[in-house]
Amino acid sequence: SQTIHQWPATLVQPVGSPLSLECTVEGTSNPNLYWYRQAAGRGLQLLFYSVGIGQISSEVPQNLSASRPQDRQFILSSKKLLLSDSGFYLCAWSEGHRLDGYTFGSGTRLTVV
Amino acid sequence: GQQLNQSPQSMFIQEGEDVSMNCTSSSIFNTWLWYKQDPGEGPVLLIALYKAGELTSNGRLTAQFGITRKDSFLNISASIPSDVGIYFCAGGNTGNQFYFGTGTSLTVIP
Repeated sequence: SQTIHQWPATLVQPVGSPLSLECTVEGTSNPNLYWYRQAAGRGLQLLFYSVGIGQISSEVPQNLSASRPQDRQFILSSKKLLLSDSGFYLCAWSEGHRLDGYTFGSGTRLTVV
Repeated sequence: GQQLNQSPQSMFIQEGEDVSMNCTSSSIFNTWLWYKQDPGEGPVLLIALYKAGELTSNGRLTAQFGITRKDSFLNISASIPSDVGIYFCAGGNTGNQFYFGTGTSLTVIP
């Protein structure tokens, strides 16, 4: 069966420090991968999505970047965090053309201080 | 990106009451999904709808795919404390990404 792993679960980082959040999927190949941010426990904002290795689409211009170095690995990064980067970050995957929807990871709570 | 409108934004209900929420879009979708997010966790898929007019149940939950294909509805019967969380709708079309609703926060008072 397919599983999605996201880490770390919580993170407290000072303003101006770098960020690296990692997401991996097991049990499938060539998944579509997504990074979402959720502020204050509300709506889901799509940040990036990827349909293949090295292919990244950005939905919102911001202080963050994403990379997909391997088929089932998706990384969210920042060179210098801002206070406004605080939030709950969710990784998700889906199988290409299927419309079963997305399977989400357990999320990373990021607090920038 | 497109975001779907969910209402109500939040609900405070007594245990045992029924709950209704809806989701509307300016675009037509051929798939509607409903997710539930427990506090501090990622959303989990509850119900998937693939056909206009379709009515699908999952235990005490019932969801409907609107006839216009621009809306969907979720009902929860006889609410219990563990129903607490944020409920999200999502709409999508074949080959394209899903768009999520703004969420409905549900609080159940024992």
